[in-house]
Parts: sequence; C-alpha cells; structure tokens
Amino acid sequence: DTEVTQTPKHLVMGMTNKKSLKCEQHMGHRAMYWYKQKAKKPPELMFVYSYEKLSINESVPSRFSPECPNSSLLNLHLHALQPEDSALYLCASSQILRTSALVYEQFFGPGTRLTVL
Amino acid sequence: GQSLEQPSEVTAVEGAIVQINCTYQTSGFYGLSWYQQHDGGAPTFLSYNALDGLEETGRFSSFLSRSDSYGYLLLQELQMKDSASYFCAVSRQGGKLIFGQGTELSVKP
Repeated sequence: DTEVTQTPKHLVMGMTNKKSLKCEQHMGHRAMYWYKQKAKKPPELMFVYSYEKLSINESVPSRFSPECPNSSLLNLHLHALQPEDSALYLCASSQILRTSALVYEQFFGPGTRLTVL
Repeated sequence: GQSLEQPSEVTAVEGAIVQINCTYQTSGFYGLSWYQQHDGGAPTFLSYNALDGLEETGRFSSFLSRSDSYGYLLLQELQMKDSASYFCAVSRQGGKLIFGQGTELSVKP
C-alpha cells in the first residue's frame, strides 16, 4: 500500500465552525506533514511530525491545530478560520533515514479542498 | 534567506525534449527534488539529487551542480500526459521541503 488518504475531499465551513481534516498512511512512514497550497502556487509547509512528535511548526496561526494520534494518522483541527485560509490542504508522509534526519521522497495525499465562508 | 527560481511556463511539442532549470539559494542544503503535479492532483515525486551529477529514471533525468547551486529536470519523448506543473524543491534538515514557484509545462500535439 503506497497511498496516503485524506478525508474529506471537500469542506465548506463558516468562520465560527470547528472541523477536522484527517490523513492516513500505512507505509510505515514515521514522518508526516501538513502543507497548504493556494491556486497556481507551490505547497507551503505548515507542520512536520517525526515519530509522532511535532518537530516543525512554520509559525502557523493557532487556529490550525495539528495532532498525530499514532504513527499512521495525522489530523488538522480547524477553528475560527478566515476566508483567506481557503486552500488545498495536503498531507504527506515519508521515511526517515536512520543515518541522519534527511528525508527525500514525500508521498502526498490527494488533499482536502477547503472553502471558508 | 532562501529562494528557488524556475521558469513559470514552458511549451513544447509531443516527442520533443524539454529542460526545466532551477537555481537556489539556501542554507542547510541536503538535496534537490523534483515533483510533478497535474491540475487538481497531488504532487508526485519524480527524482532526487543529493550529489553532483545526473540521475536517470526512464524518460526523466535530473541534474545537480552543488557548486553552482543549480539543477535541472530533463523530460524526453514528451507526451501529452506530461502537461503539468513541475516543482523543484530543496531538502533541508528535519524533512523540510522548500518548493520553487513551479513551472507549468504545456505539451502541444
């Protein structure tokens, strides 16, 4: 199984709603990532989890709250979002090479297209 | 700071060869990756160079010169399905990937 799955595919929410995005992989990868991608732009890294611990937070606003319940699952909890947060949210996973912290191939899920009204 | 530069658009015909260049400025460089993304799809990994030289994977090849902070992706025998956005990305410590702005490749018949 070389697939990263994400649910839901589409999400529309108001600025006062609370919702969660889910990501799952069964490749035994111990690094998982959240990216945000606007139209015609590159993916922008938000968070990195390494061995289920948050290792990188790219100064993301607190209205985005990541969670890694186990090595296969990654959640992104959303609360009080703004219309400018509308974007494609991508989850990715990768191996971690034992010799260093270097990783190189990330497997991306299909993304959740989020619209904030 | 860090920056990656690649052309915004490239157009080529079926069967041709196209090269997409990428120059970068970054600290803590580990390697250069290339990803393909079709409209509405997820980025998919194409290749990775940690050392200088050429890596070949089927119709796609990637090159890196660390001394020149430069790399390229070479696509041969272009097919219509190769029409997509191509991103170079710098790998940094901790699994951090910094993407370039992307090159939109249009393959014409």
